[in-house]
Amino acid sequence: QKEVEQDPGPLSVPEGAIVSLNCTYSNSAFQYFMWYRQYSRKGPELLMYTYSSGNKEDGRFTAQVDKSSKYISLFIRDSQPSDSATYLCAMSAFPGGGADGLTFGKGTHLIIQP
Amino acid sequence: GAVVSQHPSWVICKSGTSVKIECRSLDFQATTMFWYRQFPKQSLMLMATSNEGSKATYEQGVEKDKFLINHASLTLSTLTVTSAHPEDSSFYICSARGVGLAGGIFGPGTRLTVL
Repeated sequence: QKEVEQDPGPLSVPEGAIVSLNCTYSNSAFQYFMWYRQYSRKGPELLMYTYSSGNKEDGRFTAQVDKSSKYISLFIRDSQPSDSATYLCAMSAFPGGGADGLTFGKGTHLIIQP
Repeated sequence: GAVVSQHPSWVICKSGTSVKIECRSLDFQATTMFWYRQFPKQSLMLMATSNEGSKATYEQGVEKDKFLINHASLTLSTLTVTSAHPEDSSFYICSARGVGLAGGIFGPGTRLTVL
C-alpha cells in the first residue's frame, strides 16, 4: 500500500461547480497536510497548509483533515477555468517537511469546463 | 513573498554529457533544500535532501555518484546529473525551506531531455 493515495483523474466539472479533491494516507505520524496546485510544466504552488485535524478556509478554498480516518480533502467553491490544474496533496510528520521532505500524492488533474 | 528560482528552465543534452541545475532562494535563507524528480503523470519523488555546508542525504535507489548535489551557501544548491542517459529525462524540481516558511517553497522546475 502506498503511503499516500490520490485519484489521478482527470476530474472534469462545469464552471461554478463545487470541486472535491481527496487523499488518503496510511502513516499515522503525518501531522502537517498541504495542498499544492501545479500548472503544466511549472513547479507546485502552495495553496493550503494545515496542522492536525480540522478545517481551514482561504477564499474559495477549504481544506479538511480527518486524522481518525486518515483522509484529507480540498474543496473549491465557484470553480473557474483558471482553476484547471493538477492538485497535489502532501504531508509530513514535521512542519515544512522536516528533515525528510514531503510525501506527495500522485496528483489529481482537474478540468473546469467554461 | 519567498521565491525560489531554478536555472535553466529546460535543457536538452546528448547522452553521456553532464548537466548542472541551479536552485536559488531569492529573498530568504534556505536552511534545507530538497530535490525532487517528477516523471509524466507521476507524483513528485524526493531524490535528496541537502543542508548548507554538509553532504546531501539521498533517498534509497538514488545514485549519489550520478546525481551530485552541492549546497554551497544558504541561497544556492546545485544538482549535477552526470553522464546523463535518456532514462534521466524528467522534470527536476527543488524546494527550499527557511525559518517560518510552511510547506517549503518550490522552484519552477527544470525539464531535462536527454537524447
